[in-house]
Amino acid sequence: DIQMTQSPSSLAASVGDRVTITCRASQSISRYLNWYQQKPGRAPKLLIYAASSLQTGVPSRFSGSGSGTDFTLTISSLQPEDFALYYCQQTYSIPRFGQGTKLESK
Amino acid sequence: EVKLVESGGGLVQPGGSLRLSCVASGLTVSSNYMSWVRQAPGKGLECVSVVYRGDGTYYADSVKGRFTLSRDNSKNTVYLQMNSLRAEDTAVYYCARVGSESYELDYWGQGTLVTVSS
Repeated sequence: DIQMTQSPSSLAASVGDRVTITCRASQSISRYLNWYQQKPGRAPKLLIYAASSLQTGVPSRFSGSGSGTDFTLTISSLQPEDFALYYCQQTYSIPRFGQGTKLESK
Repeated sequence: EVKLVESGGGLVQPGGSLRLSCVASGLTVSSNYMSWVRQAPGKGLECVSVVYRGDGTYYADSVKGRFTLSRDNSKNTVYLQMNSLRAEDTAVYYCARVGSESYELDYWGQGTLVTVSS
């Protein structure tokens, strides 16, 4: 199985900050990497698919990059509604999620 | 507009069974791959079952042999039959559509809570 290591597990930031979350795969997954946002009591929401493609309707301050084993999700200028949990997911083989990153207000 | 609505969750005793339903609108389940993802209280996301790479169905090791994904095309509904339930199966179960770009989960239901307890 391909394991996903997401970091950091939690992050405190302020509105307007640039935020980066990292996801590392235990072996190459090409670009089969997706990012989701989850708010309390809500279903996850797809943000980025295929490592860098922005899902329709998602603000352009969200971006994804990477290929192979190392990937990043970047929020260019944090907004109040962005404080949430973020998960990466590899779909190169048996689908697996990272353990999540909790983005909190500083 | 795509909408997925899960139902069938509830309280069940260990060893019992439940069948979750996911009724789709705005998409046809017969021509889409569908997935069930669960989230235990305060924990992360786990893919329980997904039609993956062709017509094969994947099951997490933790549910293999106990859970079965199926669909009724006439009702545009996907099911998750859960047997021999354990306390560790307690979770919110989400139904999701598998997208065509990188097998991303692009549409999600609101979830249904399954509690396994005596």
